[in-house]
Amino acid sequence: QKEVEQNSGPLSVPEGAIASLNCTYSDRGSQSFFWYRQYSGKSPELIMSIYSNGDKEDGRFTAQLNKASQYVSLLIRDSQPSDSATYLCAAISNFGNEKLTFGTGTRLTIIP
Amino acid sequence: DAGVTQSPTHLIKTRGQQVTLRCSPKSGHDTVSWYQQALGQGPQFIFQYYEEEERQRGNFPDRFSGHQFPNYSSELNVNALLLGDSALYLCASSLAGWGVWQPQHFGDGTRLSIL
Repeated sequence: QKEVEQNSGPLSVPEGAIASLNCTYSDRGSQSFFWYRQYSGKSPELIMSIYSNGDKEDGRFTAQLNKASQYVSLLIRDSQPSDSATYLCAAISNFGNEKLTFGTGTRLTIIP
Repeated sequence: DAGVTQSPTHLIKTRGQQVTLRCSPKSGHDTVSWYQQALGQGPQFIFQYYEEEERQRGNFPDRFSGHQFPNYSSELNVNALLLGDSALYLCASSLAGWGVWQPQHFGDGTRLSIL
């Protein structure tokens, strides 16, 4: 079992709709979770971080964390074609251990 | 403010050769991490350097080694290259966290192809 798992996709969403990306993790010791966006041929870019159970909103992005279910999600509202990218879910086990463990990523395409 | 820079951008090697990849961290950062990203996969942690020492290591063989210089720049060395080493190698820099996670900023990577 992989430590961080994501639906590989691809996921296609119409422009203006909500894109929902999901991630599960196996290490109950994981403390913090991150969503990175990676355009083709480019480096990963941090877009959201979440440390506590519940929702965290930043503009059109909302990250959700449920530690009991070991589940993390990212919602993108009012999806734009520029949101088309691969989204990587990552976790760290504890502060001070800065090794990021990534999922395989979900390829998202926003259809105009 | 320069971000993380990596060189070279692309590299082609043959099996058995050795390669050195270079990384300059974002200004003000003192910690460098290296990741390997195979096609269609997420990045895999190789190791992390702080104060010129390897601080953490992932599940990679000893053929992968590194170095950090006093100016915080870093090198990744891979010996006895295998076809499976073909990947995008990403460098990420950050400030040492010491209990507080600091965001890691990634460079654009070096695309290594093994023939």
